[in-house]
Amino acid sequence: AQSVTQLGSHVSVSEGALVLLRCNYSSSVPPYLFWYVQYPNQGLQLLLKYTSAATLVKGINGFEAEFKKSETSFHLTKPSAHMSDAAEYFCAVSLSGGGADGLTFGKGTHLIIQP
Amino acid sequence: KAGVTQTPRYLIKTRGQQVTLSCSPISGHRSVSWYQQTPGQGLQFLFEYFSETQRNKGNFPGRFSGRQFSNSRSEMNVSTLELGDSALYLCASSLGGLRTDTQYFGPGTRLTVL
Repeated sequence: AQSVTQLGSHVSVSEGALVLLRCNYSSSVPPYLFWYVQYPNQGLQLLLKYTSAATLVKGINGFEAEFKKSETSFHLTKPSAHMSDAAEYFCAVSLSGGGADGLTFGKGTHLIIQP
Repeated sequence: KAGVTQTPRYLIKTRGQQVTLSCSPISGHRSVSWYQQTPGQGLQFLFEYFSETQRNKGNFPGRFSGRQFSNSRSEMNVSTLELGDSALYLCASSLGGLRTDTQYFGPGTRLTVL
């Protein structure tokens, strides 16, 4: 069965510091991977997605993620954190038709930005 | 282009009642998926509709059902509500529901069961 593990339910960084949110997946077939962000009382917004093209994927708001097959990882990074980055971040995997079997989400990581 | 809209945004029901939630996808999107989000279980896939047909269903009891209309709008129904059904219900639409398609999420409907 497919699964996604996000290490750290809460991550705290200082404003201007590197953001690193970890995501590992398990899959018996090549996965398609997504990072979503959720602000309070809102739905999910796509940050970026990996669909077997370039392994380094650039997304919105300065975020990027690198797909590493050997490590079954898809960690999300941002060079310099901004206060507006404070939110819940979800990693998700799609193994079959993105809608047909749905996305499988990790538990989420709450990103806290310290001033 | 308008995003995914969900109505109502908030609902309060009592145990045993039933509820219907509505989702209007982005224009041109034919796939609509529903997810339940709770603090304990996180985000879980409920079901997906494409061209008025349910293509797949997650691991939820039969009290959870849905349908899709010819204009791709979708409704989700929960019968005989239980306290554990309190959650944020998110709807997402995509062009065709393919693996590479991005799912665009609505703001959700917050259901509270008393």
